[in-house]
Amino acid sequence: AQSVTQPDIHITVSEGASLELRCNYSYGATPYLFWYVQSPGQGLQLLLKYFSGDTLVQGIKGFEAEFKRSQSSFNLRKPSVHWSDAAEYFCAVVLTQGGSEKLVFGKGTKLTVNP
Amino acid sequence: SQTIHQWPATLVQPVGSPLSLECTVEGTSNPNLYWYRQAAGRGLQLLFYSVGIGQISSEVPQNLSASRPQDRQFILSSKKLLLSDSGFYLCASGLAAYNEQFFGPGTRLTVL
Repeated sequence: AQSVTQPDIHITVSEGASLELRCNYSYGATPYLFWYVQSPGQGLQLLLKYFSGDTLVQGIKGFEAEFKRSQSSFNLRKPSVHWSDAAEYFCAVVLTQGGSEKLVFGKGTKLTVNP
Repeated sequence: SQTIHQWPATLVQPVGSPLSLECTVEGTSNPNLYWYRQAAGRGLQLLFYSVGIGQISSEVPQNLSASRPQDRQFILSSKKLLLSDSGFYLCASGLAAYNEQFFGPGTRLTVL
């Protein structure tokens, strides 16, 4: 079945350290991939998306993600984490089912940033 | 960009009571609209989506229903709430699944 997996439920990093959040997808064709961020008690905001072309995608807030077809991955990275990056991060893939397209989310990775 | 409004922000309801959550959208016309439910550690579950007025698709069998009486209004309802309906409900708007979805601030529903 087509799906998206985020293996890490919770990650803790120190402020200023680098960050990588993992996302793996299961999809036959070239996927449409997204990363969203959710601050506590709020809605989601799009960080970046990949449709085609350059496999390294730049997003807002200094985030980037790299699409690796051979590994079925779309990992999110940031070279230096700020305390304000503490949030929950969701990877998502567009799923085609029954002639319609829907956005399917992973279960999320909660990021804690230590001072 | 689009702005999504949701109300109420929080709601505490007894089991068996009715429910009505409202979502309105500004800054776009004829969007696709979505209702998601978010439970702790379970990500976002798509409940309903709508591609136009009066057009509703249900993703998960349940005692909830959705309606779209106007182009930029999306309502989530229930006649009798269950304990399992507790959660964080998010409304989203987008031009298509391939495009960015804009999310509202959410409604925290607690069923007691």
